[in-house]
Amino acid sequence: DQQVKQNSPSLSVQEGRISILNCDYTNSMFDYFLWYKKYPAEGPTFLISISSIKDKNEDGRFTVFLNKSAKHLSLHIVPSQPGDSAVYFCAASAGTGNQFYFGTGTSLTVIP
Amino acid sequence: DAGVTQSPTHLIKTRGQQVTLRCSPISGHKSVSWYQQVLGQGPQFIFQYYEKEERGRGNFPDRFSARQFPNYSSELNVNALLLGDSALYLCASSQGAANQPQHFGDGTRLSIL
Repeated sequence: DQQVKQNSPSLSVQEGRISILNCDYTNSMFDYFLWYKKYPAEGPTFLISISSIKDKNEDGRFTVFLNKSAKHLSLHIVPSQPGDSAVYFCAASAGTGNQFYFGTGTSLTVIP
Repeated sequence: DAGVTQSPTHLIKTRGQQVTLRCSPISGHKSVSWYQQVLGQGPQFIFQYYEKEERGRGNFPDRFSARQFPNYSSELNVNALLLGDSALYLCASSQGAANQPQHFGDGTRLSIL
């Protein structure tokens, strides 16, 4: 039972353009969301988080949008750089625990 | 500052054996979580420990166990290994017990022959 879904296994974007990665969830109890970036042979690196009391959070080139009614979140990277090429995971947790449910990841390729 | 460190980096075992994986959290972090990641999937939650107490357990059999020590480091034990236990095992630490970003180590790659 996949509670967090990333329906696009891969995405290619030109350098300098916007990258938009999408994530859908089914559990309405999820109230805290994270995005991670993962390079091969390394652990996931935390990028940005958002709480369900917000609908947007920005950190430099990274912005996360949360649409609670649609149970959808997205990560925008502007401008995209070749070093952003990696697998991106979204993750969600509910309530007082720090148990995160992860999506299956989207592989982003930024073309120079 | 040192990040989350895991040992060993790679391990090869045979079916039926037992394995212990180790994790040292970021200094000041009191919560440690363990995840299993198989190829093509996202990490799947196994355990969370906070202040040496188990705070959560994922849908894994009793062959999986863990503990957290007074210095907040942690061990994951897996008994009676099966071929399906072959995976990347990730440890993550966070300052608090809930609604906190988790910071991951580079994992232990476990291969079962």
